[in-house]
Parts: sequence; structure tokens; C-alpha cells
Amino acid sequence: QQQVKQSPQSLIVQKGGISIINCAYENTAFDYFPWYQQFPGKGPALLIAIRPDVSEKKEGRFTISFNKSAKQFSLHIMDSQPGDSATYFCAARGENFNKFYFGSGTKLNVKP
Amino acid sequence: NAGVTQTPKFQVLKTGQSMTLQCAQDMNHEYMSWYRQDPGMGLRLIHYSVGAGITDQGEVPNGYNVSRSTTEDFPLRLLSAAPSQTSVYFCASKRQGGDGYTFGSGTRLTVV
Repeated sequence: QQQVKQSPQSLIVQKGGISIINCAYENTAFDYFPWYQQFPGKGPALLIAIRPDVSEKKEGRFTISFNKSAKQFSLHIMDSQPGDSATYFCAARGENFNKFYFGSGTKLNVKP
Repeated sequence: NAGVTQTPKFQVLKTGQSMTLQCAQDMNHEYMSWYRQDPGMGLRLIHYSVGAGITDQGEVPNGYNVSRSTTEDFPLRLLSAAPSQTSVYFCASKRQGGDGYTFGSGTRLTVV
């Protein structure tokens, strides 16, 4: 059973548009929620992260919205650019600050 | 600063063969992990280590073996490769008390 559920599986957005990727979790013990960006042939790279005591975090064009009561969080990419085309993974940190549970990934294609 | 280095980048094995995937980090990180990435499955934790001499199982440990004799190295061993182990393998590390993992660039393994 997947601990973190991510949607959509793929997303096509026009340049300048807003990309939204959603994740949901069940385990209320999760204490840290990062998003990773992965380009083809590369390893995932930490993009932005949030803790459950904060409802929103913004870094440049990237924003995480966090809804603790609904156990959902989402990544918003404003003014999406072709260079943002990549696979995005949400994750949640579990026990002992070691175990990260990843969503299944969203392949984003930003069309010029 | 090399970060997390994985070797080899590509490998083809025959069913039943054994091999070791190498992982080394030069950031003096205490925590290291191995993940496998499969289409539609995201990243799944195989084994992890909180320091030299200490390892533990993740979500999908069967068929894999690890050891951690030094802080820098965390090799992953496949004792008898099976086609189900065809995947992309990522090694990751983080410092104690740190948040997100730093990933290597991956090893693409095909078992025929």
C-alpha cells in the first residue's frame, strides 16, 4: 500500500501557465514533506519542502500548499517554463528521520 | 565536491548472476539509503543505514544485501539477480539532523 498518493501521473501545461501537482497521505506521524525534481538521466534533487505546522511555503515560482486536516499537500509552479519539464515527486518523512515515502511521480511537460 | 557517486551507470546481468552496486559520498553524511525507481511506482526504499556498522531494511529488501563498514561507502549487493530487479537504483545520503536527501545519478540495471 502506497503511503503517499500522487496525482496526476502526467501533466501538460502551456508556457506561462500554472502547474499543480497533488499528494495525499494517511500517516499523521509524518513530519516533513519535500518535493523533488528529476530530469531524465539524473537523480532527484530537492526542490522545496514544508513542515506540517506551516500552511504554505513559497520559493520563487514554486509554492507548497499544505492542508494538515485533509492530509494533503500540493506543489504549484507559477509561470511554468519549458525548463521546468521534469518528473516531480512528493515525499513524506516517517519514523526515525530516515524513512522517506515517495509518491509515484508526475511527469510535467511545459509546451513553449 | 563530488556529492554522492554511484558506479556503474549501466549494467546488464544474466539471471542468477551477482553484482555489487557501489555508492560513495564525500559529505560525511551519517545517513545513507538505497532506493529503486520503477515506472508508476515512484521511489521505494530498499535498505538504509544510520551510520557505520548499522543497517536496516526498507520497504522492498528481499534479494538485496547491504553493509556499511565506513561512513563514506554503502554498497548494495544482488546475490542472485532476477528479472524483477530490473530497475534504476539510486543511492542517497543526508547528515544527521538534516532534512532532505542528496541523491546520486543512479545505476540503470537490466536483468535478462
